[in-house]
Amino acid sequence: DAKTTQPPSMDCAEGRAANLPCNHSTISGNEYVYWYRQIHSQGPQYIIHGLKNNETNEMASLIITEDRKSSTLILPHATLRDTAVYYCIVRVNRDDKIIFGKGTRLHILP
Amino acid sequence: DVKVTQSSRYLVKRTGEKVFLECVQDMDHENMFWYRQDPGLGLRLIYFSYDVKMKEKGDIPEGYSVSREKKERFSLILESASTSQTSMYLCASGGQNYNEQFFGPGTRLTVL
Repeated sequence: DAKTTQPPSMDCAEGRAANLPCNHSTISGNEYVYWYRQIHSQGPQYIIHGLKNNETNEMASLIITEDRKSSTLILPHATLRDTAVYYCIVRVNRDDKIIFGKGTRLHILP
Repeated sequence: DVKVTQSSRYLVKRTGEKVFLECVQDMDHENMFWYRQDPGLGLRLIYFSYDVKMKEKGDIPEGYSVSREKKERFSLILESASTSQTSMYLCASGGQNYNEQFFGPGTRLTVL
């Protein structure tokens, strides 16, 4: 079973920051938080991951709470091309299989 | 760029046929994975492989088998296709030093 809880859908206005929440209250000390997204008719795409520190790359920022029980993925300036299903995943190490939950369907509104 | 390719985007087969889905990656990754994706159920892991000739069952292996004769190629086999196996099939690969898995575009299989 997926170890994460996400809202089924969210809307965000184009050009605004999209903040996608994820709860992972049973996360273990050695589990990382990963985010993937899936644009319609494509395979999932890796976005970012972190253990306990906040992370940023060219796609997004990941904010993890101090107790690690929740996190937020931030797309700083959402565009229509960011419309996708976003999956929050916890996993032990880089070789472990990924267990996908149902994700959040993000709609970017023009 | 990492490339994971799948042999077909769309495939239509009849019940009872043997079906081969091929996946090839060009980044010398050790790990390869097969998932299926269904509405309301998300992605589910069928089989994965950590090395040539090695395979591990995922969460839903029943009705499937796999083959990994070469490092770059991972095949999913439906011995006798059934209508319940109509789905989107996604292949992924990842190296031991990679944190992410790279996915192919998917094969939409319809079994009539």
